Order: sequence, then structure tokens, then C-alpha cells
Amino acid sequence: QVQLVQSGAEVKKPGASVKVSCKTSGYTFSDYYMHWVRQAPGQGFEWMGYINCNNGYTNYAQIFKGRVTVTRDTSSSTSYMEMTSLTSDDTALYYCMREGTKFFPYWGQGTLVTVSS
Amino acid sequence: QSALTQPASVSGSPGQSITISCTGTSSDVGGYNYVSWYQQHPGKVPKLMIYDVTNRPSGVSNRFSGSKSGNTASLTISGLQAEDEADYYCNSYRGGSTYVFGTGTKVTVL
Repeated sequence: QVQLVQSGAEVKKPGASVKVSCKTSGYTFSDYYMHWVRQAPGQGFEWMGYINCNNGYTNYAQIFKGRVTVTRDTSSSTSYMEMTSLTSDDTALYYCMREGTKFFPYWGQGTLVTVSS
Repeated sequence: QSALTQPASVSGSPGQSITISCTGTSSDVGGYNYVSWYQQHPGKVPKLMIYDVTNRPSGVSNRFSGSKSGNTASLTISGLQAEDEADYYCNSYRGGSTYVFGTGTKVTVL
């Protein structure tokens, strides 16, 4: 069965960077795109960007361009999301999601990133 | 990038039908048949309920149905049950390989 297992919770200081991992199993990693979204406490979802796990092509929401980088390691079937210059507004649950075809049937369990001085 | 607009809350009694709207523009909801809906119970991971406007994944109750008219997509829950109480989010492809979520709707079963 398809599984997406994310890395554990992180606490960061303002201005720092964070890198969240999403290790997959149960399917051919390079056959699908991997997306990243976030959900601030008590709020809705914000789509951040995605990576084509076959060729590494990425695309990001305008508000995250230059501050978020999504990568993948095909040898370990893992995707990564790195965000720089963190502020308290970046405190949120971050999810990876495997795309179906323009929908998202599989989600990771979420990684809480807390930004606090 | 502005989110799709959903009502903040919708409520209904057990057995009733409710409909949640998701309003966008001709650049997203109205321009593509790529609207999906997600159910999220408190503290849980979202679950795909509808994709490609009207399609239901295997295992999702046929009490859930989707539709679209112009720039507004809708999710209807018929025969409302206590277990349907959750937050619901729509999502749409927006072109240029980007996506946008709705603002979310809290469904309360009275």
C-alpha cells in the first residue's frame, strides 16, 4: 500500500531554515509528482509547490518562490521541502501529497514546524 | 494568490442533505474540470472525497457527490450522518501547473 512518512516536528528560531522529508513506499516513486502544502493552526491549506519525481522539474506558488525548494532522492524514494528565512507566520503543519492526476489521494502524516524565538 | 471561496459553516440534521459551494474564477474552477474535495476530521490527515468534479474514489460513500456550474463547484452530502461532521476543503487546478485550495467549510450535524 502507498505510504508517505514524514520527518518529525521541528522548532526553529526566526531567520533559520528547515528541511522536511517525505519517505515513500508502495509505488514507483519516479512515476508521480509530489506536492507540498501547509496548514497554519486553525486555518486552511496553502499549496506550496511540487516536483516531478522523474526529471526533478519543480514549480512553486508565487509567494514561495525563492524561499522554498523541493527536491527528491530517487535512490531512497524521498522528497524534501526546504524553507529559508523562517518567521512566526511559517508556523504550520507541512504535508507532502502524492498526486493522482490533478488531485491528491495520498498524504503524509504532517510535520509541525514551529518558529519561535 | 487568493483562495477559492467557501462558506465558513454549513449545518444540517441527520438524514438531511447539505451542499457546500466553492467559488473561483474562469482561471481555476471555471476553466478546468480538476476540482477535488477533501474531508478533514480534527487532528487527522485529509481524505480525498471527490476528484475531477464528480468522481468518487473507491471506498467513499455514494452519499457524497460533486458538481460544477460556471465558476462554482459544489459538494453535496445526502443522508447526513454524525460521522460527516468535519471540515471540508475544495481544491482546483489553476493553470501554469499551480493549484489553489478553498477557504474551508465546517460541517456540523445538529
